[in-house]
Amino acid sequence: DAGVIQSPRHEVTEMGQEVTLRCKPISGHNSLFWYRQTMMRGLELLIYFNNNVPIDDSGMPEDRFSAKMPNASFSTLKIQPSEPRDSAVYFCASSGAGRREQYFGPGTRLTVT
Amino acid sequence: TQLLEQSPQFLSIQEGENLTVYCNSSSVFSSLQWYRQEPGEGPVLLVTVVTGGEVKKLKRLTFQFGDARKDSSLHITAAQPGDTGLYLCAGDSSGTYKYIFGTGTRLKVLA
Repeated sequence: DAGVIQSPRHEVTEMGQEVTLRCKPISGHNSLFWYRQTMMRGLELLIYFNNNVPIDDSGMPEDRFSAKMPNASFSTLKIQPSEPRDSAVYFCASSGAGRREQYFGPGTRLTVT
Repeated sequence: TQLLEQSPQFLSIQEGENLTVYCNSSSVFSSLQWYRQEPGEGPVLLVTVVTGGEVKKLKRLTFQFGDARKDSSLHITAAQPGDTGLYLCAGDSSGTYKYIFGTGTRLKVLA
């Protein structure tokens, strides 16, 4: 079975540009999580969805960040406009109904210059 | 804000040695997880503990959840180079399966 799929794997963009990160969760999983990992702050939960509905977005740093989950097999995390301090590895993870186990994707390494 | 402190932050040991990594918080957790992350990859779940005092073993790895469910430890016996990686603990204090991750322990096992 395919795991969590994220694209792109690497993204380099200039400050001020819009960035869209994509995630396809494991088929049948109904919870989806977006995380950000940096050396300084570690792994931080940004937002999570349950059955395509955003449940907790308290970790989203500011209004420049937005996330959507239009259907059970796709989610996006958008940053507009991007800033150098947004440089990080962004992970998507999914889990099954009533399950604590989260399965992480390989991550997207974002560099904003 | 919950804080999960891990210690040590870095650890470099020789193959065959034993080690223990700690995860501490002032919060009580309904469950706690341990993950291992290798460079360029996402974290991979090793274990979930839910009962205070619970001990789980995974080959050479032993995980313990504190009696008060505020802390946990990971013990590795006879470490091998394949154990090298970033070890992360993650706690759920609300029972909603929303996990907060610890600061991480970066382990390097030298052959």
